[in-house]
Amino acid sequence: SQQGEEDPQALSIQEGENATMNCSYKTSINNLQWYRQNSGRGLVHLILIRSNEREKHSGRLRVTLDTSKKSSSLLITASRAADTASYFCATGQTGGFKTIFGAGTRLFVKA
Amino acid sequence: DAGVTQSPTHLIKTRGQQVTLRCSPKSGHDTVSWYQQALGQGPQFIFQYYEEEERQRGNFPDRFSGHQFPNYSSELNVNALLLGDSALYLCASSWRGRGGPDTQYFGPGTRLTVL
Repeated sequence: SQQGEEDPQALSIQEGENATMNCSYKTSINNLQWYRQNSGRGLVHLILIRSNEREKHSGRLRVTLDTSKKSSSLLITASRAADTASYFCATGQTGGFKTIFGAGTRLFVKA
Repeated sequence: DAGVTQSPTHLIKTRGQQVTLRCSPKSGHDTVSWYQQALGQGPQFIFQYYEEEERQRGNFPDRFSGHQFPNYSSELNVNALLLGDSALYLCASSWRGRGGPDTQYFGPGTRLTVL
């Protein structure tokens, strides 16, 4: 079974609002990544946060990581219709080379 | 700078047949990972290749095999296809240099339909 669990499974907001997605995982990780996928196409890497980091920013994206709770959140500020996509968290495993994805959050931004 | 490329884009096969999918990594990348993504699900790790060897494998049967060539490109082979093998197959490349983060760049995928 997949390790990452995203919450919520689906999210519908108005343009200009903020979107927050959460991810939980089960085992020890080296890093956690967030990806975006449009309409079943290839994944686009958004941001990577290492296990010794607590927060990272990239443009309108803010990612937090709490390794004690084994959880992460992705905040997209001032959302746009073009942000409509599926968002996945993925964890790089300690002592291995596998990346494990969650089932994703489907975000719909209404214009 | 070309990104990750995959071929073919779409493929239709029948049960029991064999299929080969191809991937060329992003320039400068030496590691290739393959994922299977069923409809509505997240990608599932199949295996990773580095220095022409399978370095780690996910929970997939031996019907799934792969290869990496000296130019770092890779193939995914699936034998004795089952209906459940219908999915989007994604290739991702990365650089495993010392200290490098495991940022993966994904190709557009190959949509496999098994009838």
